[in-house]
Amino acid sequence: AQSVTQPDIHITVSEGASLELRCNYSYGATPYLFWYVQSPGQGLQLLLKYFSGDTLVQGIKGFEAEFKRSQSSFNLRKPSVHWSDAAEYFCAVGEVEGNKLVFGAGTILRVKS
Amino acid sequence: DAMVIQNPRYQVTQFGKPVTLSCSQTLNHNVMYWYQQKSSQAPKLLFHYYDKDFNNEADTPDNFQSRRPNTSFCFLDIRSPGLGDAAMYLCATSRDRWGIKAYEQYFGPGTRLTVT
Repeated sequence: AQSVTQPDIHITVSEGASLELRCNYSYGATPYLFWYVQSPGQGLQLLLKYFSGDTLVQGIKGFEAEFKRSQSSFNLRKPSVHWSDAAEYFCAVGEVEGNKLVFGAGTILRVKS
Repeated sequence: DAMVIQNPRYQVTQFGKPVTLSCSQTLNHNVMYWYQQKSSQAPKLLFHYYDKDFNNEADTPDNFQSRRPNTSFCFLDIRSPGLGDAAMYLCATSRDRWGIKAYEQYFGPGTRLTVT
């Protein structure tokens, strides 16, 4: 079965600084990969997705992610973080066997002014 | 705007008292999911409906049930809530149950359940 690892439980960045959140997956074939964001007390919102093709994908709110097969990674990036980006971020992979999403444990982003 | 709506946003129930959480969608999606999310954890899939076809996850306790009376609505029933059932319950939808269309899911804002 597929699995997702987000190595960082918490990350703190200064407003205006760049951001990279790490995600590693385990799956032999080309995975379907997703990043979701969850603001406090809210549901999950899809930021971006990768199915195939260009390995650098653009999402909403200025986020992008790069699929690197050699590293089994799908890291989320943003060049300049805003205070409103403070939230929890979940990486997910589409599990082929069960046709369902498998989520990582999440990374909580704190933004300091 | 097409969306997924959950009511209520906050629900307090007593230990052992049945409770029902509601989800509705205007996306006209075929699949509706219920997830349980405990504090600082990943969402955990409880079950899903593909149209009227109910699919339970193997490790979902019998205490959790669901109903889908029509395309737009889906309910989560907790028959006898325990303190361990306190969590955020998320409803989600997808266009289909297979492949890419299953993975692209749209979430509601969640219902925060407190058990006293």
